[in-house]
Amino acid sequence: GENVEQHPSTLSVQEGDSAVIKCTYSDSASNYFPWYKQELGKRPQLIIDIRSNVGEKKDQRIAVTLNKTAKHFSLHITETQPEDSAVYFCAASKNAGGTSYGKLTFGQGTILTVHP
Amino acid sequence: EAGVAQSPRYKIIEKRQSVAFWCNPISGHATLYWYQQILGQGPKLLIQFQNNGVVDDSQLPKDRFSAERLKGVDSTLKIQPAKLEDSAVYLCASVPLAGGWDEQFFGPGTRLTVL
Repeated sequence: GENVEQHPSTLSVQEGDSAVIKCTYSDSASNYFPWYKQELGKRPQLIIDIRSNVGEKKDQRIAVTLNKTAKHFSLHITETQPEDSAVYFCAASKNAGGTSYGKLTFGQGTILTVHP
Repeated sequence: EAGVAQSPRYKIIEKRQSVAFWCNPISGHATLYWYQQILGQGPKLLIQFQNNGVVDDSQLPKDRFSAERLKGVDSTLKIQPAKLEDSAVYLCASVPLAGGWDEQFFGPGTRLTVL
């Protein structure tokens, strides 16, 4: 089955700096890569996702890049703010437009701390 | 729209006892997932339902865990008997249809502590 490795496990930055979290996946058939943010004691919430037919996607201060050949994808957060502090999870799945796929395999998580 | 509902939010039991969790997905969502999230780890899929049928339960410890979604709407996850290593947050998530490009919406989770 799919295996997703995530690094680093903890990341500490100063407010205004950039943060980068990296994930690798094992199954070349995976084609959907979401990123979730989980604040302490709360549910995971989707912050950005990318499909395998694109190499990069950006939404304001957040961007994700995908390298299918190397089977890795990264989350980039620019101009970090204290409210970005949370645990971030990458995930991978095989989606096929409505068939019995969609199972998410998550990475181990990265604890991001943004110091004011 | 209302989100994914789960209950109870917290449960403390002793090992070898039984426990059940309930999930009500977003209205109209055909696909429902149960994940186990152990402290410090990412969620791990236990079981996936499409309407009232099981699509994937390959990671469900079937000797002690069971789940059902009889009418294709809400679902129950049961552990019997519980072990110490079952202490975790149990998350329910739903999507309109598996394999599409829709976001998986998560419920608030049930935090289980096994003593």
